[in-house]
Amino acid sequence: QSALTQPASVSGSPGQSITISCTGTSSDVGGYNYVSWYQQHPGKAPKLMIYEVSNRPSGVPDRFSGSKSGNTASLTISGLQAEDEADYYCSSYTSSSTSWVFGGGTKLTVL
Amino acid sequence: QVQLVQSGAEVKKPGASVKVSCKASGYTFTGYYMHWVRQAPGQGLEWMGRINPNSGGTNYAQKFQGRVTMTRDTSISTAYMELSRLRSDDTAVYYCAREADYGGTPTNAFDYWGQGTLVTVSS
Repeated sequence: QSALTQPASVSGSPGQSITISCTGTSSDVGGYNYVSWYQQHPGKAPKLMIYEVSNRPSGVPDRFSGSKSGNTASLTISGLQAEDEADYYCSSYTSSSTSWVFGGGTKLTVL
Repeated sequence: QVQLVQSGAEVKKPGASVKVSCKASGYTFTGYYMHWVRQAPGQGLEWMGRINPNSGGTNYAQKFQGRVTMTRDTSISTAYMELSRLRSDDTAVYYCAREADYGGTPTNAFDYWGQGTLVTVSS
């Protein structure tokens, strides 16, 4: 199955808001509310930021929010901070052979 | 606290096999699916498969069918991922990741990750 489509890079200044998109198909993003988002700093393991499209695990700041419309999910980070600079990946369950698929990743630069 | 501790880095020759372990602690090992995800150098995340530690049942990504085997030893709360017929493009960091379960239902998300195991395939 193909990877979900994310922009390669986004950038924003401290205090601003940015949105990262994640486009799939009706077999994955559009078909289930099982989209999750991960933050990965260089050399570190990914960290779960959003699950089931818009839910935040305990400890994740409410500056991070998720949504979905049709086959496209989005991660919005408001009030950008320097420590938000990282790679972000979306993931979705897919009905194709009971499997999961990731996006190609988006590098967030805080200017 | 939940911890997933993986085995150390490996260097293998093309055609060989590698077996990576993931020892879980801080929770009931048999209560949560365990997934394996890999990341080639400078590349994105790639889902490989998952195991139900309770039943031993597995689901593998089509790409790895026939080359990957996921097992577990419940007596020591450890999951294993073995990849055979290694190629140079299997060089990657391999992660185990627990499937999150909030409110008693699986979320199809991964809440705890191991530290990663670098597998280098080189002649």
